[in-house]
Amino acid sequence: ETGVTQTPRHLVMGMTNKKSLKCEQHLGHNAMYWYKQSAKKPLELMFVYSLEERVENNSVPSRFSPECPNSSHLFLHLHTLQPEDSALYLCASSQEGAGSPYNEQFFGPGTRLTVL
Amino acid sequence: GQNIDQPTEMTATEGAIVQINCTYQTSGFNGLFWYQQHAGEAPTFLSYNVLDGLEEKGRFSSFLSRSKGYSYLLLKELQMKDSASYLCAVRDSNYQLIWGAGTKLIIKP
Repeated sequence: ETGVTQTPRHLVMGMTNKKSLKCEQHLGHNAMYWYKQSAKKPLELMFVYSLEERVENNSVPSRFSPECPNSSHLFLHLHTLQPEDSALYLCASSQEGAGSPYNEQFFGPGTRLTVL
Repeated sequence: GQNIDQPTEMTATEGAIVQINCTYQTSGFNGLFWYQQHAGEAPTFLSYNVLDGLEEKGRFSSFLSRSKGYSYLLLKELQMKDSASYLCAVRDSNYQLIWGAGTKLIIKP
């Protein structure tokens, strides 16, 4: 039990579909992250919401759109994806700023996405 | 560019000791993390080093040399449940985590 939940755990979608991934953290953290994890590759940071400010990775295609309605919830909206977008999408949270010695990130179990 | 290198896969025997190395070149340094990730599960935090030296936590220890851009994770008294991927990550000058591709550790009886 990591305190970070993600739904759905598995998702299969066609290239013309629109879907959303949901992440919720129950740790009272003030920063949330979306990562893409592909086999044998480093974790790729996609988006960060930190202290209510979005920090965006410029290399993320516009077919991925994040939404952070409050400090506990994070969404990743998907539309017109490509087969190469198939991967494990991980959400994480952390407590930024004073009071946390490590500011380590706590991860959810991920959503395994397959794009047909 | 920024780069984290660690071996792709290692094999060790139950009860033995294994050392997983990580070398890094990053824009600035604000700490190094090790995470464990079992297949199909979330990465979980193992250790954090920001000063040179060895940090010990039970069967696991992590070492850092900032001048050499080098760290290792040492696992003692290996158990079958230690079979997992071990991820090295460095926090850079922008406080973003730069990740290695992970080392898959296989434990044999």
